[in-house]
Amino acid sequence: QVQLVESGGGVVQPGGSLRLSCAASGSSFSNWGMHWLRQAPGKGPEWVTFIRNDESNRYYADSVKGRFTISRDNSKNTLFLQMNSLRPEDTAVYYCAKDRVGFGDYTDHWGQGTLVIVSS
Amino acid sequence: ETVMTQSPATLSVSPGERVTLSCRASQSVSSNLAWYQQKRGQSPRLLIYGAYTRATGIPARFSGSGAGTEFTLTISSLQPEDFAVYYCQQYNNWPQSFGQGTKLEI
Repeated sequence: QVQLVESGGGVVQPGGSLRLSCAASGSSFSNWGMHWLRQAPGKGPEWVTFIRNDESNRYYADSVKGRFTISRDNSKNTLFLQMNSLRPEDTAVYYCAKDRVGFGDYTDHWGQGTLVIVSS
Repeated sequence: ETVMTQSPATLSVSPGERVTLSCRASQSVSSNLAWYQQKRGQSPRLLIYGAYTRATGIPARFSGSGAGTEFTLTISSLQPEDFAVYYCQQYNNWPQSFGQGTKLEI
């Protein structure tokens, strides 16, 4: 069974940084592409970024490009999101999600999310 | 960027009814369209992928159709547990994108 557990959320001031983690259970993490998505209060989900299973490709939403960096450690079954230059509009629940395949497709499992609040 | 537009935003329905939700893409996404259900306080759950294929464990009352730019999600007979928000998502183009959702309410 796939289980994804996010951590690292919290309250941060505008301009600050935060690093989110996503611990994955399952022996095939190194075969999975992985996504980060977010959902602002009262809004629909927004796709944020994707990393291929072998880290050979990364994609970012325009809203976070140049500020956020996705990475992974396949030896530790862990996905990361480094968020810099945070803005109030980055306030959201952040979810990690497993891609159906390694190279980018639909997401078939989501974690429960971690809340990020950007406020002074 | 591919913009996804869902209609209606809210649908007032009763248990047992048949409902159809619509999703339109601003450009063709082929059949690379997924539907998700989200209940309050929960993360989205995959219902449909490939425009019409039900995900594992999804009841047969849920069905999807369409291709290109026009898609529908049909629930044949609403159950009390189906009252939730439904989102479509295209995964044909980067960046992937979601519709704004359709809320089913009593």
